[in-house]
Amino acid sequence: NAGVMQNPRHLVRRRGQEARLRCSPMKGHSHVYWYRQLPEEGLKFMVYLQKENIIDESGMPKERFSAEFPKEGPSILRIQQVVRGDSAAYFCASSPPQGGELFFGEGSRLTVL
Amino acid sequence: AQSVTQLDSQVPVFEEAPVELRCNYSSSVSVYLFWYVQYPNQGLQLLLKYLSGSTLVKGINGFEAEFNKSQTSFHLRKPSVHISDTAEYFCAVSEKTSYDKVIFGPGTSLSVIP
Repeated sequence: NAGVMQNPRHLVRRRGQEARLRCSPMKGHSHVYWYRQLPEEGLKFMVYLQKENIIDESGMPKERFSAEFPKEGPSILRIQQVVRGDSAAYFCASSPPQGGELFFGEGSRLTVL
Repeated sequence: AQSVTQLDSQVPVFEEAPVELRCNYSSSVSVYLFWYVQYPNQGLQLLLKYLSGSTLVKGINGFEAEFNKSQTSFHLRKPSVHISDTAEYFCAVSEKTSYDKVIFGPGTSLSVIP
């Protein structure tokens, strides 16, 4: 049973470009969470999604950031017009429908030049 | 809203010595508590969790933690550490009314010295 898959593992963008990070949850999991980890800091909650629904986006910056989890395909975290402060590791986690432990992917590391 | 405090940002310890990583939380409702470990350039792995029942929880790799409701603490312990335990450790909390939204502490970097 494959774990949570994130890609790309590493992404380099210039200021002003767009970054798209993808997350495929574990098989049978219907809940997806995105977290951001800045250097030397802990993980900060960004958004919680179920299929086709954003349940909690209280941790998402108001501008430039968006997330989706379509009926088919992976969850996408999209960052428009990236700035240097967006450089971080972005982790996706999933959990089964009944709740329980979060299973994390290995992260996508975004570097903005 | 809940929050998590990990007072020690870095903990150096000699190999085979015991270690305790401290964690305190605040919440207005009952919570679930977790410890995760992160090895360099990897994702997070669950060490152990407290949901209910016995306040002493045993996890993987010989770690255990004790939930103390009166002190709102959930300290992680291991009686004898190994070089391979060198990693970042995160305490986390989730409100029972919203199980899966997990809030993390800032982390404690454990360095095991040979």
